[in-house]
Amino acid sequence: NAGVTQTPKFQVLKTGQSMTLQCAQDMNHNSMYWYRQDPGMGLRLIYYSASEGTTDKGEVPNGYNVSRLNKREFSLRLESAAPSQTSVYFCASSENRGGYQPQHFGDGTRLSIL
Amino acid sequence: AQRVTQPEKLLSVFKGAPVELKCNYSYSGSPELFWYVQYSRQRLQLLLRHISRESIKGFTADLNKGETSFHLKKPFAQEEDSAMYYCALRRNTDKLIFGTGTRLQVFP
Repeated sequence: NAGVTQTPKFQVLKTGQSMTLQCAQDMNHNSMYWYRQDPGMGLRLIYYSASEGTTDKGEVPNGYNVSRLNKREFSLRLESAAPSQTSVYFCASSENRGGYQPQHFGDGTRLSIL
Repeated sequence: AQRVTQPEKLLSVFKGAPVELKCNYSYSGSPELFWYVQYSRQRLQLLLRHISRESIKGFTADLNKGETSFHLKKPFAQEEDSAMYYCALRRNTDKLIFGTGTRLQVFP
């Protein structure tokens, strides 16, 4: 049972390049999330999807787009990468069947923009 | 504004010493608070939540609404407790606001 799988694990881009980070979960969860983790900033929510076909902006959505392709997959796209987007990106998922359900995280994608 | 503050970036203790990781929050409603932990080479995972009032791996955390705090405590630290700890506040739906994290180092 893989849980939440993120690809790639590492990536280096040049400024202006585009890139899609992939995330898939096998737990049949409805909710999925994309975070970025920066030193001294903790985890900040980029985008959130409560269910297939719906997405909402989080705290730091600028420069990103997302697609909830189906219940399993939630991708994050950088259309024109900037050095400020150098970060570790985490995908997470959770059930949303009432009350709080823990978020399950992937291993992260370490992204460097030169 | 909703905010979670973890004032310490790094906390170093010796094995067997008590540990307290501080967390303060600001939230206008009735808060739900959590501690998440990331051990070396492992995924970020839920450690405990205030509503459960449970002890996990010897850790406890009490919600103090008067002081708007949710400090994580353990009476006797173990080397395997070394990890990154994040305090988090639940917003509407399932969105969380995370603090900046505290790295706990437990020396033998």
